Amino acid sequence: QKEVEQDPGPLSVPEGAIVSLNCTYSNSAFQYFMWYRQYSRKGPELLMYTYSSGNKEDGRFTAQVDKSSKYISLFIRDSQPSDSATYLCASERSNDYKLSFGAGTTVTVRA
Amino acid sequence: EPEVTQTPSHQVTQMGQEVILRCVPISNHLYFYWYRQILGQKVEFLVSFYNNEISEKSEIFDDQFSVERPDGSNFTLKIRSTKLEDSAMYFCASSGETNEQFFGPGTRLTVL
Repeated sequence: QKEVEQDPGPLSVPEGAIVSLNCTYSNSAFQYFMWYRQYSRKGPELLMYTYSSGNKEDGRFTAQVDKSSKYISLFIRDSQPSDSATYLCASERSNDYKLSFGAGTTVTVRA
Repeated sequence: EPEVTQTPSHQVTQMGQEVILRCVPISNHLYFYWYRQILGQKVEFLVSFYNNEISEKSEIFDDQFSVERPDGSNFTLKIRSTKLEDSAMYFCASSGETNEQFFGPGTRLTVL
């Protein structure tokens, strides 16, 4: 069983729409959760980092973690064409320093 | 804003040759990592490094791989005898007091 599973997409939305991205994880030991954005042939860029259940907002981005159901989400409000990228979820055990990544969801925001 | 840098951006090598990929982590970070991403696949952990020694390594990180921090700023990944299946993007990352890992732009390794 994969440790982190992510909806593969691809996802195509019109500009201004809300983008909703989801991952599930199997390992109860995961304590830290991240969302990265990756443009084609570039390095992952850290968007959101959280370690508790609940919501965390940063500008147009909201990360949501539900540890009871092992479910993590990222919402992008007022999406822009520049948000077109692959979004990666990642999880980490406490004091492990090893990220387990999902496969990534490719998002296209149409102008 | 401080960032992780990597050189070269693209390395082409012949099978069986040694390659060294170089990284300069963010200056006040203490934890360093290498990940790889084969084209079309997910990012995979290779190794973590702290206090001048390997903290953890994956099963991918076999005897052909080694890491080194030769001075106060560089962090290197060496592949001793490259195989075709080593062709991938290799990402260096670093983290400080929190678990937030910041990634470099990557080195694309092509083994012919």
